[in-house]
Amino acid sequence: AQTVTQSQPEMSVQEAETVTLSCTYDTSESDYYLFWYKQPPSRQMILVIRQEAYKQQNATENRFSVNFQKAAKSFSLKISDSQLGDAAMYFCAYKKGNTPLVFGKGTRLSVIA
Amino acid sequence: GAGVSQSPSNKVTEKGKDVELRCDPISGHTALYWYRQSLGQGLEFLIYFQGNSAPDKSGLPSDRFSAERTGGSVSTLTIQRTQQEDSAVYLCASSLLAGMDTQYFGPGTRLTVL
Repeated sequence: AQTVTQSQPEMSVQEAETVTLSCTYDTSESDYYLFWYKQPPSRQMILVIRQEAYKQQNATENRFSVNFQKAAKSFSLKISDSQLGDAAMYFCAYKKGNTPLVFGKGTRLSVIA
Repeated sequence: GAGVSQSPSNKVTEKGKDVELRCDPISGHTALYWYRQSLGQGLEFLIYFQGNSAPDKSGLPSDRFSAERTGGSVSTLTIQRTQQEDSAVYLCASSLLAGMDTQYFGPGTRLTVL
C-alpha cells in the first residue's frame, strides 16, 4: 500500500521568510499525482498545489512551489515570502487512478510576526 | 459556483445513538469521497462513489458505518450505535471524475460522542 510520510510535525517561520515542508512517499507506480493541501483552523481543506508525476517541471502557484524528486520519492513544498495567513496544517497527499487520496499526518506551520 | 457543503457543522450525540451526516458535492461532480480526521491524525479514507458504479467501501471501519448517494448528488453518511472512538471530523470531497482530478473538500462535520 502507498504511504505518505511528513517527518516534521511542526514548523515555524518568520513573516516574509521562506520555509520548506518535507514529504516522502512510497509507491511502485510510475504515473500518479501528488498534492499539498492546507487546513486552517476553519477545517476547510484548501488545495495549494498539485504535481503530475509524468511532468519533470516542478509546479508553482504564486508563492508556493514544489521540489519534486521522483527517483527519491520526495515532494517538498516551499513557501516564499511567508504571510500570517499561511499559518495552518499542511497535508501532503498521493493519488493513483481511481483510488482515494492517501494523506500524510500533516505539518503544523506557525508564522511569527 | 458553490463549493462542497456539509451539514451539520457540529454534532454532539450520546453513545449508542445513530447519526446522519450530509454532503452536497459541487454540481456536476461525479465522484464523492468521505474521509475521517481524528484528533491529531491525518485523513483516513472511508468510502467513495463514482457515478452509478458500486461504491468503494473498503475504508469503512465497521458495519456500523454506511453511506448512500441519491441521484448521483447528495450523500449521507450514517453511523449507527455511535461509540466514543467515532468522535472526529468527517470530511466530504468531490471531484469531476474519480481519476486524477483534484478533490475539493467541504468544511467538515465535527462529531462528538459523549
